[in-house]
Amino acid sequence: AQKVTQAQTEISVVEKEDVTLDCVYETRDTTYYLFWYKQPPSGELVFLIRRNSFDEQNEISGRYSWNFQKSTSSFNFTITASQVVDSAVYFCALSGLGYNAGNMLTFGGGTRLMVKP
Amino acid sequence: ETGVTQTPRHLVMGMTNKKSLKCEQHLGHNAMYWYKQSAKKPLELMFVYSLEERVENNSVPSRFSPECPNSSHLFLHLHTLQPEDSALYLCASSQDAGRADSPLHFGNGTRLTVT
Repeated sequence: AQKVTQAQTEISVVEKEDVTLDCVYETRDTTYYLFWYKQPPSGELVFLIRRNSFDEQNEISGRYSWNFQKSTSSFNFTITASQVVDSAVYFCALSGLGYNAGNMLTFGGGTRLMVKP
Repeated sequence: ETGVTQTPRHLVMGMTNKKSLKCEQHLGHNAMYWYKQSAKKPLELMFVYSLEERVENNSVPSRFSPECPNSSHLFLHLHTLQPEDSALYLCASSQDAGRADSPLHFGNGTRLTVT
């Protein structure tokens, strides 16, 4: 069975602080994919990044960066110089091979990030 | 329109009512999904449709009945719901059925309240 744990349920920071959201996963698949989604107050989940299990290179996109460490089964997400618009719930998710169709993601419980001005 | 559109945005219904949630995707995707997001639980997958065929029913009670008439439209028919069914219902689509690397694209959700 697959499992995703986001231990931080809520984080509050002041604007311009850096913040890291933790994600730890469990899977028996050797090939799998990890995702981060952002859910602003409007409700829709917005896809941020996908990482496959064979690519441990860290990725940076503007103020966002992701640290994938297979040895610790973690896929952490860092926002540098946070802004009020970053306030949202962030979900880490995992999918693996072995399904017949579709992409059946296992989601973590989410981390609510509040960035105060 | 682009993306995934869900209607209505908000719905209040009594336990004896029958209502339907609608989802439409304009992305040319082959797979569509219903997820339930309640306050105290992680996002729960309810149903998956691939090329208009249901491929997953994640132990969902029969008071929820999905329908996928074509690859662009997905419905969730509701009847005799319980107050604990109050939640945000999210529709999603993905490009390629069977590909675990295909990101999901979500709609804004329908906030359902059962009284």
